[in-house]
Amino acid sequence: EVQVVESGGGLVQPGGSLRLSCAASGFTFSYYWMHWVRQAPGKGLVWVAVINPDGSSRFYGESVKGRFTVSRDNDKDTLYLQLNSLRAEDTAVYYCMRYYDYWGQGVQVTVSS
Amino acid sequence: QPVVTQSSSASASLGSSVKLTCSLDSAFSSNVITWHQQQPGKAPRYLMKLEGSGTYNLGSGVPDRFSGSSSGADRYLTISNLHFEDEADYYCETWGSNTRVFGEGTKVTVL
Repeated sequence: EVQVVESGGGLVQPGGSLRLSCAASGFTFSYYWMHWVRQAPGKGLVWVAVINPDGSSRFYGESVKGRFTVSRDNDKDTLYLQLNSLRAEDTAVYYCMRYYDYWGQGVQVTVSS
Repeated sequence: QPVVTQSSSASASLGSSVKLTCSLDSAFSSNVITWHQQQPGKAPRYLMKLEGSGTYNLGSGVPDRFSGSSSGADRYLTISNLHFEDEADYYCETWGSNTRVFGEGTKVTVL
């Protein structure tokens, strides 16, 4: 069974940092593009970042460019999202997504003093 | 990057059908899209991939009450024989040059 499970969320102060992880199982992780998508409270889905199967290409949404970094460890079947210089508007549930067809359950990130 | 437009809400009676629209801007009128369902308080769930030709592929475990179709730059999701559990937000999504774009979602209410 395909599964992606996020972890690492929490409460952080403005300007702080956090690293999210997404553990994959049930498929050959190293074959797939992987995405991060977020959803602010009461709002819609917003694409955040993507990384290609070998990690050599990464692309970001405009609102997070220069602050967030996506990476992966294919030996550990794990996707990461490093969140730096966090702002209140980054408060959201962050979802890991395989290609376009499997979603994780999400992890809450709250940026507040 | 693509612009994706969805109506904000739709409603239909239990057991009837509802058809949702996802409109792409003309520059991306041939794009493949995906549809996703998000029930209240839950993570999104992939429903289908839908091509400009109207060919669609349902995700694993998605009932065949869900179907897709296309006309020009418009993509449609039809839910037949509505169940109460179909009450949810429905998002379409497509991709451009190194970006992915979600529509704002359509809230479906089952009466």
